[in-house]
Amino acid sequence: DIQMTQSPSSVSASVGDRVTITCRASQGISSWLAWYQQKPGKAPKLLIYAASSLQSGVPSRFSGSGSGTDFTLTISSLQPEDFATYYCQQANSFPAFGQGTRLEIK
Amino acid sequence: EVQLVESGGGLVQPGRSLRLSCAASGFTFDDYAMHWVRQAPGKGLEWVSGISWNSGSIGYADSVKGRFTISRDNAKNSLYLQMNSLRAEDTALYYCAKDRSSSSFPVYFDYWGQGTLVTVSS
Repeated sequence: DIQMTQSPSSVSASVGDRVTITCRASQGISSWLAWYQQKPGKAPKLLIYAASSLQSGVPSRFSGSGSGTDFTLTISSLQPEDFATYYCQQANSFPAFGQGTRLEIK
Repeated sequence: EVQLVESGGGLVQPGRSLRLSCAASGFTFDDYAMHWVRQAPGKGLEWVSGISWNSGSIGYADSVKGRFTISRDNAKNSLYLQMNSLRAEDTALYYCAKDRSSSSFPVYFDYWGQGTLVTVSS
């Protein structure tokens, strides 16, 4: 099974900051990776698929990059509504999520 | 507007069964694969099971294989999860999730329901 590891587990940042979250796969997954945002009490929301494709309706301050085993999610200028937990997910036939990264207000 | 509404959760004793349902609307249901994803209280996301548009391809997480059965009824725009031999570790919020595609690969969840809570306890 492919394991996904995110870092950091939590990060504190301020409105306007640039934030990067990393996800590493235990074996190569090409570009088959997604990123989700989850706010407390809400269902996850798809942000990025195929490693770097922005889901419709998602603000352009969100971007994804990487291929193979190493991937990043970048938020270029944090907005108040971006404070949430973020998950990566490998997209093969038996999908698996990372453990999550909690983005908190500094 | 895409809507996914789960139902069927509740409190159940270990070893018993429960059937979850997901009613879909706002899209052509039989064009897309569908999935169940769960989240234990305070924990991360775990994919449980998925089914292709025509039920021709089905997959399960190792943690539920042999105990859970996914199915769909395209005429009723509905997805189901039959859960047998339930264990305490199956306690979670169960989400119904729509796939971006019809097939079993790649798997991206572009719409989610609000979830139905399953609690397994004596």
